[in-house]
Amino acid sequence: AQKVTQAQTEISVVEKEDVTLDCVYETRDTTYYLFWYKQPPSGELVFLIRRNSFDEQNEISGRYSWNFQKSTSSFNFTITASQVVDSAVYFCALSPPTIAGGSYIPTFGRGTSLIVHP
Amino acid sequence: NAGVTQTPKFQVLKTGQSMTLQCAQDMNHNSMYWYRQDPGMGLRLIYYSASEGTTDKGEVPNGYNVSRLNKREFSLRLESAAPSQTSVYFCASSEASGGHNEQFFGPGTRLTVL
Repeated sequence: AQKVTQAQTEISVVEKEDVTLDCVYETRDTTYYLFWYKQPPSGELVFLIRRNSFDEQNEISGRYSWNFQKSTSSFNFTITASQVVDSAVYFCALSPPTIAGGSYIPTFGRGTSLIVHP
Repeated sequence: NAGVTQTPKFQVLKTGQSMTLQCAQDMNHNSMYWYRQDPGMGLRLIYYSASEGTTDKGEVPNGYNVSRLNKREFSLRLESAAPSQTSVYFCASSEASGGHNEQFFGPGTRLTVL
């Protein structure tokens, strides 16, 4: 069975601080995919990044960076110089490669609410 | 492209009433999903459809039924609403060629059952 743990329920920072959102996962699959989604106050979920289990390179996109460590089963998300617009709930998700029927069922963590104060 | 659309955006029901939540996507995706989101619980999968003509139960299917009307549309029906079904419901879609495909979500339906 798959499991995704986001131990931080809520994080509060002041603008310009760096913040890291933790994601720890469990799976028996050797091939799997990890995702981060953002849910701003408007409510819609937005895809941020995907990483497959064979690619442990860190990724940077502007102020966002992701650290995937297979050895510790973690896929952490760092926002550098946070801004008020980063305030949102962030979800980490884990997906197997595929299942019978051609669909995959991701497992979502419970989310981390990030509040960035001006 | 509109992406994934859901109707209605808000709905208030009385216990025992029925309703159907509509979802449509214009991205030619094969797979579609219905989730519910409750405070502190994250997203929980209700039902999914791997492709047109197939549907399967997710984590919390009790009290719900679904119909994959065609490739574009996937509806969720509450036959006899209960207060425990008060939640925000999200429809999502994805390509079906593998688990590497991200999901695209609709704006959500906020449902209150009194």
